[in-house]
Amino acid sequence: SAVISQKPSRDICQRGTSLTIQCQVDSQVTMMFWYRQQPGQSLTLIATANQGSEATYESGFVIDKFPISRPNLTFSTLTVSNMSPEDSSIYLCSAAPDSMNTEAFFGQGTRLTVV
Amino acid sequence: GQSLEQPSEVTAVEGAIVQINCTYQTSGFYGLSWYQQHDGGAPTFLSYNALDGLEETGRFSSFLSRSDSYGYLLLQELQMKDSASYFCAVRKDTNAGKSTFGDGTTLTVKP
Repeated sequence: SAVISQKPSRDICQRGTSLTIQCQVDSQVTMMFWYRQQPGQSLTLIATANQGSEATYESGFVIDKFPISRPNLTFSTLTVSNMSPEDSSIYLCSAAPDSMNTEAFFGQGTRLTVV
Repeated sequence: GQSLEQPSEVTAVEGAIVQINCTYQTSGFYGLSWYQQHDGGAPTFLSYNALDGLEETGRFSSFLSRSDSYGYLLLQELQMKDSASYFCAVRKDTNAGKSTFGDGTTLTVKP
């Protein structure tokens, strides 16, 4: 299993500013993932955070808007840049301990409100 | 592209059995997962099917038919604490963390 800690748990930010969300896993994992979830809606994959290389972004998400760092095998950050009210959402970090694992673990999420 | 369909809401009474269906269209498929999410909480893993058939884990079972692009989650002996959202998710990679999620089914269990 894996325990994933995210911070902050929530924040209210001014439009035009940036917020960096941190994700810490209690064990080494090859890949970490960032999702976005509007309250009451589905989870949408933003990107895969790869250690030692640039993140891989899904269609509709770009590095300039959502820069990601992955300095080691237990930690990643997601920055939401130049925020607008449309960025208000819950951002979730996820990881699976290894490629043979059938289960993915999620952090508690960061509830972001942009005003 | 990938799309998943599941009912938006299901209501059942304590002790009953409920089945949540999921149909999917994908360009790649490693397996179908099910996650539970309570309000304000993190999604938690329930079950995974890579091959056709039934997987049983306590009160929860999951079924997959790859030829029909169809699966379901079966919850037995419903309890009030089972009230939550349930998501089916198509695994897109060998790593379980990379998935496309359905829109979720809100299950309400009534006394």
